Amino acid sequence: EAGVTQFPSHSVIEKGQTVTLRCDPISGHDNLYWYRRVMGKEIKFLLHFVKESKQDESGMPNNRFLAERTGGTYSTLKVQPAELEDSGVYFCASSQRQVFDEQYFGPGTRLTVT
Amino acid sequence: GQNIDQPTEMTATEGAIVQINCTYQTSGFNGLFWYQQHAGEAPTFLSYNVLDGLEEKGRFSSFLSRSKGYSYLLLKELQMKDSASYLCAVLHSNYQLIWGAGTKLIIKP
Repeated sequence: EAGVTQFPSHSVIEKGQTVTLRCDPISGHDNLYWYRRVMGKEIKFLLHFVKESKQDESGMPNNRFLAERTGGTYSTLKVQPAELEDSGVYFCASSQRQVFDEQYFGPGTRLTVT
Repeated sequence: GQNIDQPTEMTATEGAIVQINCTYQTSGFNGLFWYQQHAGEAPTFLSYNVLDGLEEKGRFSSFLSRSKGYSYLLLKELQMKDSASYLCAVLHSNYQLIWGAGTKLIIKP
């Protein structure tokens, strides 16, 4: 069974540019989560999808971040325009059931904004 | 506020036992997870405790005391491949995972 995949693995962009990160969850997992880890800090929750609906987006830092999950399969996280403080590793995770289920993490996308 | 504390770094010897502690103060609690993360890789699930007590799974065990806001991860018969970061995360009552900063475990021969 394929795990959670993320693309790209690394992205280096200039301040003000736009970047779109993609996450493909494990097939059949309705729940999809986005997290971010800034250098030296703990992992922070960004948002949670159940199928195509946003269940909780309270962790999104500001309106420069837009997440979508059309059709309830893969998800994208767009940052527009990117700022220096957006640099970090963006993890995606998926789970079959909500809440108490183990979350399977993708390898992450390392975003560097210069 | 939400606060999860764990040691930044620990060192142990191959074949020995190590205990990684985690204390938490959160406004809600629906269980505590431990994840392992090797450098540059995804976090992988180790354990989930929602009731007080010890959960054993092979060489790894996890303990929870809800009244004390305390958990530990116990690793036995340490192997070099156990060198990694160990992340403690509390499942809040709003079902978000709140993460500690992680404990980097260094295993020496």
